[in-house]
Amino acid sequence: NAGVMQNPRHLVRRRGQEARLRCSPMKGHSHVYWYRQLPEEGLKFMVYLQKENIIDESGMPKERFSAEFPKEGPSILRIQQVVRGDSAAYFCASSRGLEEKLFFGSGTQLSVL
Amino acid sequence: QQQVKQSPQSLIVQKGGISIINCAYENTAFDYFPWYQQFPGKGPALLIAIRPDVSEKKEGRFTISFNKSAKQFSLHIMDSQPGDSATYFCAAKIGGYQKVTFGTGTKLQVIP
Repeated sequence: NAGVMQNPRHLVRRRGQEARLRCSPMKGHSHVYWYRQLPEEGLKFMVYLQKENIIDESGMPKERFSAEFPKEGPSILRIQQVVRGDSAAYFCASSRGLEEKLFFGSGTQLSVL
Repeated sequence: QQQVKQSPQSLIVQKGGISIINCAYENTAFDYFPWYQQFPGKGPALLIAIRPDVSEKKEGRFTISFNKSAKQFSLHIMDSQPGDSATYFCAAKIGGYQKVTFGTGTKLQVIP
């Protein structure tokens, strides 16, 4: 059973470009979370999604950031018009049920030049 | 606002020694306290967790001690091994889905 798959592992963007980060949850998992990790800091919750629904997006910046988890295909975290402050590691995690164990992917390291 | 404070930031322990990482929380509504282990280039992995109705939980060489009145909890790694070298995060959440508040992490290095 493959773990949580994230791609790309590394993404380089220039200021003003768009970044798309993909996450395929573990098989049988319908709960997806995105967390952001800034250098020398812990992970910060961004958004919680179930299939086709955003349940909690309280950790998402109000502008430029959006997330989706469509009926078919991976979850996508989209950052429009990236700025240097968006440079971070973005981790996706999934769980089978609401309160069940969280499994993290290896992350996407976003670098904004 | 940092709701979970973690110390120390880094820790060097000799092989066979005890590693101790401390955390304190502010929100008394937290009811689940996990610890995560993260190796370079990898995502965090759940190591051990405790609920506030228990004062101690042990799994192998890893023990969580929990002091509800002081709002503090700690991770003890007994007989530390070089393979334990990683970053450890304490965390907390309120019941329901996995909206987890993480501490800032402790980078542990176990030297032979």
